[in-house]
Amino acid sequence: GAVVSQHPSWVICKSGTSVKIECRSLDFQATTMFWYRQFPKQSLMLMATSNEGSKATYEQGVEKDKFLINHASLTLSTLTVTSAHPEDSSFYICSARRSLVGGEQFFGPGTRLTVL
Amino acid sequence: AQKVTQAQTEISVVEKEDVTLDCVYETRDTTYYLFWYKQPPSGELVFLIRRNSFDEQNEISGRYSWNFQKSTSSFNFTITASQVVDSAVYFCALSEHGSGNTGKLIFGQGTTLQVKP
Repeated sequence: GAVVSQHPSWVICKSGTSVKIECRSLDFQATTMFWYRQFPKQSLMLMATSNEGSKATYEQGVEKDKFLINHASLTLSTLTVTSAHPEDSSFYICSARRSLVGGEQFFGPGTRLTVL
Repeated sequence: AQKVTQAQTEISVVEKEDVTLDCVYETRDTTYYLFWYKQPPSGELVFLIRRNSFDEQNEISGRYSWNFQKSTSSFNFTITASQVVDSAVYFCALSEHGSGNTGKLIFGQGTTLQVKP
């Protein structure tokens, strides 16, 4: 159990376009979902935390208007990279957690975004 | 403020050698969790272990073992008789669970382990 999927697994887009990445918890209800970004040979950096039905909490330095996060249901969160630029090229990973406090995070397989 | 430090950027060993990956953390919370994850070249994070701050017992799982010492704020990971398949990036992470915390994960910089045949 506790499987998290991401779609797409990779995407290539032109500069200026918007890209939507989906994160789904397949066999459990995720009260909280997290979005991370990982640049090559670097660690995972938390971008935002989202609780179902409420606005996401963004980490310092992350532009909320550029990285739109929607957590409309207990099994789905989406990250939309608006007006993507080459510097947004990265590996985006989501994780999902069952409970509000405590509990293990289950990670998706990641989405590799390349902006040309 | 919370912080996780993995001082070893890269480690290279020969198969069957034992290897220890260091992890030092900083937190003001008394309630927290520590994690180790493995990230193979595919990119998907593989959960290895979670340990809460009230449980300092060391743990062994097959060739893997973990040494948690609150006195030195360390949570080190040892692979015994390493194998080529152990080659990956390993991340140590901290999650605070005191009042007001969301339980977000703070990752260390990662240690790249290369096991040569």
